[in-house]
Amino acid sequence: EAGVTQFPSHSVIEKGQTVTLRCDPISGHDNLYWYRRVMGKEIKFLLHFVKESKQDESGMPNNRFLAERTGGTYSTLKVQPAELEDSGVYFCASSQGGQGYWEKLFFGSGTQLSVL
Amino acid sequence: KNEVEQSPQNLTAQEGEFITINCSYSVGISALHWLQQHPGGGIVSLFMLSSGKKKHGRLIATINIQEKHSSLHITASHPRDSAVYICAVRSGRGVESSGSRLTFGEGTQLTVNP
Repeated sequence: EAGVTQFPSHSVIEKGQTVTLRCDPISGHDNLYWYRRVMGKEIKFLLHFVKESKQDESGMPNNRFLAERTGGTYSTLKVQPAELEDSGVYFCASSQGGQGYWEKLFFGSGTQLSVL
Repeated sequence: KNEVEQSPQNLTAQEGEFITINCSYSVGISALHWLQQHPGGGIVSLFMLSSGKKKHGRLIATINIQEKHSSLHITASHPRDSAVYICAVRSGRGVESSGSRLTFGEGTQLTVNP
C-alpha cells in the first residue's frame, strides 16, 4: 500500500514567487492534514480537510496560503507570494476517519521550502 | 509556553544505554502520540496511547493521565535509533475528536554513538 506522498521534496524560491505543494494521501483516507515546522520551532497545525471540505483552517497563518482538495483526493497548498518566514518543512498527514481519537495518522516525508 | 513540553531537547548516548524521553502537557487530551523522524525522512508514528503502557520491540511508552506526563523509553539503544522523537497530543474526546488536530512538542534529538 502506498503511503502519503508529497511533492516536491525540496523547493527553493525567491521572495515574492509562488509555490504549490502537493500531498497525495493514502487512498480512502478522508482526513488530510497540513502541518508546518519552521526552523527551531515545534510542528504546527495548518489545516484539516475531511474529504473535500475544510474542517478546520484556523492554523493557516494568513491569506497568502491557499489549500484545496478537489474531489477529496490529493491536496495542494499554494503560497502566493512567498515570504522569507514561510521557509520550513511542510508535512502532510492522512487518516481514515470515523474511528474516534484512536485513528492512526500517516505522515508524508515533507516538503522542505526555502524562500530566499 | 508550549502546551506540550519535551525533555531533554538533545540527548547523546552510548550504544546499549537505556534512554528516557519525557513529555508533559497542559491540556486535556484524548490520545498521545510518539513520533520518530529520521534525518531527511518522514515522520513515523511509533505509539498512540491514552492510558497505561505500550511496548514494541525495544521501545516502551507510558502515560500518566493524572500527572499529564508520558515517557518514551528505549532499551539497549543502537545507533540506528538516532532520530528526532516527537510527542504530540490530540485534544477532545470521543468520536468527534477523530478530526482533532495534534499539538506537538519541539522534539528530542537523540544521537546514539557506537
